[in-house]
Amino acid sequence: DGGITQSPKYLFRKEGQNVTLSCEQNLNHDAMYWYRQDPGQGLRLIYYSQIVNDFQKGDIAEGYSVSREKKESFPLTVTSAQKNPTAFYLCASSRQSGDYTFGSGTRLTVV
Amino acid sequence: KQEVTQIPAALSVPEGENLVLNCSFTDSAIYNLQWFRQDPGKGLTSLLLIQSSQREQTSGRLNASLDKSSGRSTLYIAASQPGDSATYLCAIPGGSYIPTFGRGTSLIVHP
Repeated sequence: DGGITQSPKYLFRKEGQNVTLSCEQNLNHDAMYWYRQDPGQGLRLIYYSQIVNDFQKGDIAEGYSVSREKKESFPLTVTSAQKNPTAFYLCASSRQSGDYTFGSGTRLTVV
Repeated sequence: KQEVTQIPAALSVPEGENLVLNCSFTDSAIYNLQWFRQDPGKGLTSLLLIQSSQREQTSGRLNASLDKSSGRSTLYIAASQPGDSATYLCAIPGGSYIPTFGRGTSLIVHP
């Protein structure tokens, strides 16, 4: 079955540490997205990519970085510059016309 | 810029009731509209996708309608069950097909 796989499900980060969240899709979708979700808040767009080797900042890109070296993969790195990284992170993909598919999410906690 | 509003923000009903969730949007020039369900701590699950040329889509006890001229979509849930308890979100592709999400309707169906 086609879908999106996010790993790990839970991730703990120490102060000053960079961590990378994995997102892999086998849907042959061109576009991929990263969202952050905080309790009581809506989805906020971090980065998106519409084609391999190209990506754009979303609304809250500061402290995050991404790469898109393969169509199937869109990893998100949470850097030490992100001062409040504790949140639920969701990856999504879509055809260029929409029809979005989401992963199951990664919960990141600072310890 | 597209704005998406979902009313009500929260809803608590007894089991068996028929429900209507609303999604309003400001720009009627939409390509499609997608309804999602999100359970606590989980990713978004796609429920229904309505293309702009369609008036409605049905899946089981769910029926979604689209009226572009009035800027509204409704999600109708028939004979609600406790397992329907979740947050329901609507999403519309915007510029560069980046989706604009509503804040969601949090539904509790109690036995």
